[in-house]
Amino acid sequence: AQSVAQPEDQVNVAEGNPLTVKCTYSVSGNPYLFWYVQYPNRGLQFLLKYITGDNLVKGSYGFEAEFNKSQTSFHLKKPSALVSDSALYFCAVRDGRDGGFKTIFGAGTRLFVKA
Amino acid sequence: DGGITQSPKYLFRKEGQNVTLSCEQNLNHDAMYWYRQDPGQGLRLIYYSQIVNDFQKGDIAEGYSVSREKKESFPLTVTSAQKNPTAFYLCASSPQGAENSPLHFGNGTRLTVT
Repeated sequence: AQSVAQPEDQVNVAEGNPLTVKCTYSVSGNPYLFWYVQYPNRGLQFLLKYITGDNLVKGSYGFEAEFNKSQTSFHLKKPSALVSDSALYFCAVRDGRDGGFKTIFGAGTRLFVKA
Repeated sequence: DGGITQSPKYLFRKEGQNVTLSCEQNLNHDAMYWYRQDPGQGLRLIYYSQIVNDFQKGDIAEGYSVSREKKESFPLTVTSAQKNPTAFYLCASSPQGAENSPLHFGNGTRLTVT
């Protein structure tokens, strides 16, 4: 069965410091991996995705993510955090074998960036 | 601009009443989804539809119903059989057969049942 784990409920980082939000996944087929961000009382916004190819994926707002097949991880990173990055972040996996209609989301990690 | 519109933003209902949440998209996407979001639990799939006049149950369909009479519209009814309906409901869409495409989300409806 597919699953996604975000081991940290909350991540705190000072503005200007690098940030990492962790994600591990379990899927039988080839994984399609996504990161989304959610601001209060809003829907989710797509940040980046890994389908195949280069293990380092670059996305919106300066975010990037590193795919590691042996560790089944897809951690979200940013070299220099901004206060405006404070939000709820979701990792998600889609199993292409079922037509891709089921996306499984992690529980979310709340990021606080302190000025 | 293309997007997904959910209405209303906030909805209050008394226990025992059915309530319908609206979701409209102008992205020309074939697939549409309803998710429920509760604090600390991520998003859970309620129903999804791959094409007009067809839909499938997700992981937590009990107490909910949907219809898909038009490509653009995928309303969700929360029935009185749903034991714990208070939650944030999110509608999403994606192109057909594009499992490597991200989901597009509306801004949600926050339902409070007392």
